[in-house]
Amino acid sequence: KQEVTQIPAALSVPEGENLVLNCSFTDSAIYNLQWFRQDPGKGLTSLLLIQSSQREQTSGRLNASLDKSSGRSTLYIAASQPGDSATYLCAVGSSNTGKLIFGQGTTLQVKP
Amino acid sequence: GAGVSQSPSNKVTEKGKDVELRCDPISGHTALYWYRQRLGQGLEFLIYFQGNSAPDKSGLPSDRFSAERTGESVSTLTIQRTQQEDSAVYLCASRGQGSFYGYTFGSGTRLTVV
Repeated sequence: KQEVTQIPAALSVPEGENLVLNCSFTDSAIYNLQWFRQDPGKGLTSLLLIQSSQREQTSGRLNASLDKSSGRSTLYIAASQPGDSATYLCAVGSSNTGKLIFGQGTTLQVKP
Repeated sequence: GAGVSQSPSNKVTEKGKDVELRCDPISGHTALYWYRQRLGQGLEFLIYFQGNSAPDKSGLPSDRFSAERTGESVSTLTIQRTQQEDSAVYLCASRGQGSFYGYTFGSGTRLTVV
């Protein structure tokens, strides 16, 4: 059974810092991995999608990496801004079941 | 349409009533998922439809929950005899065929059982 874990559960940093959010998964038979952002009381916004054959994806100040063999993904946020404050969710698409399994999220606060 | 559409956006119902939640996926997306998110908690998988295959219902919490999808179009999630613990945001997502397609989520239906 696929399990997805995100560390840390919460993170508070001053504006301008670079930071890394971690995601680990137990079953390497993945279809793809997707990072989402969720603002309080809102839906999910897709940030980056990494296919199982890829190692990383970049969008603006965001970079996501994938290491299937070790069951890990990281989301790197450069030069953090207060507007980055949100909960970041890692989700793994299973190639065996087709399900998308979510981690519990990392709640990020960027202080001005 | 351009995105995944869910209706209603908010629903308040009395305990014991039945409710029906609707999801319109992105046109052409073969896969459709329902999730539940209770206040302050993570996303809980409920059910998954892939084309004309039998749905994966392994996440449905009880027999009060059911979902249908006609072909590759609209899906409805029905909760019978609602209980207060059913209060949550119900999110729907759809995905196209191929690993280069990500999952697109709707804005959700916030269900409150009073």
